[in-house]
Amino acid sequence: ETGVTQTPRHLVMGMTNKKSLKCEQHLGHNAMYWYKQSAKKPLELMFVYSLEERVENNSVPSRFSPECPNSSHLFLHLHTLQPEDSALYLCASSQPGATNEKLFFGSGTQLSVL
Amino acid sequence: LAKTTQPISMDSYEGQEVNITCSHNNIATNDYITWYQQFPSQGPRFIIQGYKTKVTNEVASLFIPADRKSSTLSLPRVSLSDTAVYYCLVGAIMDSNYQLIWGAGTKLIIKP
Repeated sequence: ETGVTQTPRHLVMGMTNKKSLKCEQHLGHNAMYWYKQSAKKPLELMFVYSLEERVENNSVPSRFSPECPNSSHLFLHLHTLQPEDSALYLCASSQPGATNEKLFFGSGTQLSVL
Repeated sequence: LAKTTQPISMDSYEGQEVNITCSHNNIATNDYITWYQQFPSQGPRFIIQGYKTKVTNEVASLFIPADRKSSTLSLPRVSLSDTAVYYCLVGAIMDSNYQLIWGAGTKLIIKP
């Protein structure tokens, strides 16, 4: 148990569907992240929120829309995805401070787009 | 282009010491080197972090040479449960911006 919980664990959706991924952290951290993990590729940072404000958006397509209503919750809203968006989506949290602070990850949502 | 490079896979046997090296030529001057472990169906989990020379904790050691352009994760006396993917992570300056650069991961398989 890392203190970061992601739901659902698995998701299958069609290209016309709208779905949301949820992340909740119980660690009292101020920063939350969405990462995409595809097979045989490095982790790709998608979004970073610090104190509920988006501080980084790594040129992610608009079909991915993040939301951070408070410092404990993070959502990733999905719509009109493509098959190449199939991947493991990981949420992480950290306590900002020195560079390269320790990240705490959830177990991820395995997404399949048909 | 800043990147980290590590072997794609490694095999070893129970009880052996395993060393996994990561190269990171463009590491930021003041940044730390961090290693994570990932099991199937789980997110990465922090193992160890260091800035220079040697760091040791209850699960691993991290060796960092003076130029800091590489680092070696050392796992003493591995067991079957150490079978996992291991990632190095460093910060680098790219186009005047600080970014965290993940390696592609080393899949470690421990055999009985």
